[in-house]
Amino acid sequence: RKEVEQDPGPFNVPEGATVAFNCTYSNSASQSFFWYRQDCRKEPKLLMSVYSSGNEDGRFTAQLNRASQYISLLIRDSKLSDSATYLCVVNMDTGRRALTFGSGTRLQVQP
Amino acid sequence: DAGVIQSPRHEVTEMGQEVTLRCKPISGHNSLFWYRQTMMRGLELLIYFNNNVPIDDSGMPEDRFSAKMPNASFSTLKIQPSEPRDSAVYFCASSFDWGGGSEQYFGPGTRLTVT
Repeated sequence: RKEVEQDPGPFNVPEGATVAFNCTYSNSASQSFFWYRQDCRKEPKLLMSVYSSGNEDGRFTAQLNRASQYISLLIRDSKLSDSATYLCVVNMDTGRRALTFGSGTRLQVQP
Repeated sequence: DAGVIQSPRHEVTEMGQEVTLRCKPISGHNSLFWYRQTMMRGLELLIYFNNNVPIDDSGMPEDRFSAKMPNASFSTLKIQPSEPRDSAVYFCASSFDWGGGSEQYFGPGTRLTVT
């Protein structure tokens, strides 16, 4: 089983749609969770951290379910500029400070 | 504020040549990470440093790869000799680590092509 697992997609949605991505992680002791965004031929960029109580940043909402070991990202009112690959990122708390990146979910928002 | 700086942005070299990639982390960050990204394998962690000390180099593919961090503001990743399968985008990232895995900030990457 992969440490961080994501549906690779692609998710093709029309502008204005709501889309949700899920991600599962293998280590129940994980402490830190993030969503990153990566545009084609660019570096990954931090989109948002994910907190236990859930958090929202504009059109983006992140949720954490520790019992089921998954995190989610909801994008409302999709824009063309949201087209990118979304990476689920977890600190696996194995004594290493490094983060573990999922392989990403590709989103294509269409006009 | 300046982000993570990497150089060169593109490197094309012939098999067998030495390649040196450079990274300047964000000022004040105490952890530095080197990643490699390919279509086939995704984003792979090669090595990371905390307070200039290598902590985990288990991702370094083989002895042809080496990394150094002589001070808090500079790191290098060296490949000697280079091979075509080393072709990838190499990212450097930095973070201020509190011990639990902090958000990392990536540089623009070095696109390496070995012919």
